[in-house]
Amino acid sequence: RKEVEQDPGPFNVPEGATVAFNCTYSNSASQSFFWYRQDCRKEPKLLMSVYSSGNEDGRFTAQLNRASQYISLLIRDSKLSDSATYLCAVAIGGGGADGLTFGKGTHLIIQP
Amino acid sequence: GAVVSQHPSRVICKSGTSVKIECRSLDFQATTMFWYRQFPKQSLMLMATSNEGSKATYEQGVEKDKFLINHASLTLSTLTVTSAHPEDSSFYICSAISGQGGNEQFFGPGTRLTVL
Repeated sequence: RKEVEQDPGPFNVPEGATVAFNCTYSNSASQSFFWYRQDCRKEPKLLMSVYSSGNEDGRFTAQLNRASQYISLLIRDSKLSDSATYLCAVAIGGGGADGLTFGKGTHLIIQP
Repeated sequence: GAVVSQHPSRVICKSGTSVKIECRSLDFQATTMFWYRQFPKQSLMLMATSNEGSKATYEQGVEKDKFLINHASLTLSTLTVTSAHPEDSSFYICSAISGQGGNEQFFGPGTRLTVL
């Protein structure tokens, strides 16, 4: 079983729609959780950290479900510029001193 | 702030040669740097963790004699791919953590290596 799994997509979504991705992780000792955005042939950029209480940043909302070992990302009112690959990442440590384990990413295409 | 650079951004080399990739934190001191590799349509895979002044810690399956890491200062880590072969062709990305606390990793722009 892979450590971090994501549906690769692609998700084809009309502009303005709401889209949600899930990501499951296998290591119950994981302490830190993140969503990154990666554009084609570029480095990943942090979108948001995911906390137990959930967090929201503008149109983006992230949730963590420790019992079921998954994290989710919700994008509301999607924009064309949201088209990208969304990577979830987990780390064992809480202090950030550990390398990240990434999923393969979910490819999102926002259509006009 | 928190900018990480990599050099070169792209390199093409012949099989059997060695290639050095530099990762620099430009505006902060990085106590820890990480090296990742990403093959097409695959996830970023952690190769090694590099701490300034000490030996790197390699992930299982990563050959430490093939991928030499040196973290000689708080702003520079290098990855040398020795005797590169076509299967080493990949996107190599470094990241750095500031020594100021917090757990965000700042990623460099990556180096695309093609071995002919």
